[in-house]
Amino acid sequence: KQEVTQIPAALSVPEGENLVLNCSFTDSAIYNLQWFRQDPGKGLTSLLLIQSSQREQTSGRLNASLDKSSGRSTLYIAASQPGDSATYLCAMTGSARQLTFGSGTQLTVLP
Amino acid sequence: SQTIHQWPATLVQPVGSPLSLECTVEGTSNPNLYWYRQAAGRGLQLLFYSVGIGQISSEVPQNLSASRPQDRQFILSSKKLLLSDSGFYLCAWSAVADDQPQHFGDGTRLSIL
Repeated sequence: KQEVTQIPAALSVPEGENLVLNCSFTDSAIYNLQWFRQDPGKGLTSLLLIQSSQREQTSGRLNASLDKSSGRSTLYIAASQPGDSATYLCAMTGSARQLTFGSGTQLTVLP
Repeated sequence: SQTIHQWPATLVQPVGSPLSLECTVEGTSNPNLYWYRQAAGRGLQLLFYSVGIGQISSEVPQNLSASRPQDRQFILSSKKLLLSDSGFYLCAWSAVADDQPQHFGDGTRLSIL
């Protein structure tokens, strides 16, 4: 059974700080890994998708990396802003070809 | 561009009542469709997915069912709701290929009284 773990569960940082969110997974047969953002009471917004053949993807101030050998992915947010406050979820597509989600990291960026 | 719609946004139902949540996708053909549930303090749990009309796969045994009467329509139903059915229900779609991301609707907040 594939599992996805996100640590920490919550994170609070001052505005302008660079930060890293962590995600680890157990299934070595990973097809891709996706990072999402979820605002309170809302659906999920896809941020970045990394294929198993890739090591990282970038979009604006966001950079996601994938290390299959260690079963880890990180989401790097540069120059954080209060508008970045949300819950960030990572999810992997493994051998079952379905998304398995972590429980998320709730990020608060303080102005 | 593709869009996904879910309704209603919020629903309050008594225990034992029926349920019907609807999801439609626009701007794409033959999408994969998914229903997830997000319980308070927990991650998203895949409930059903569909790769085509009338084709439904269930991931978790429960008193819920799903149907796909049209290519871009996905319905989540129950004949008799339980208290444990409370949660945030999300519909998602993806293109058929494995390397495509999933895109989510805005969700339905279901409260069972």
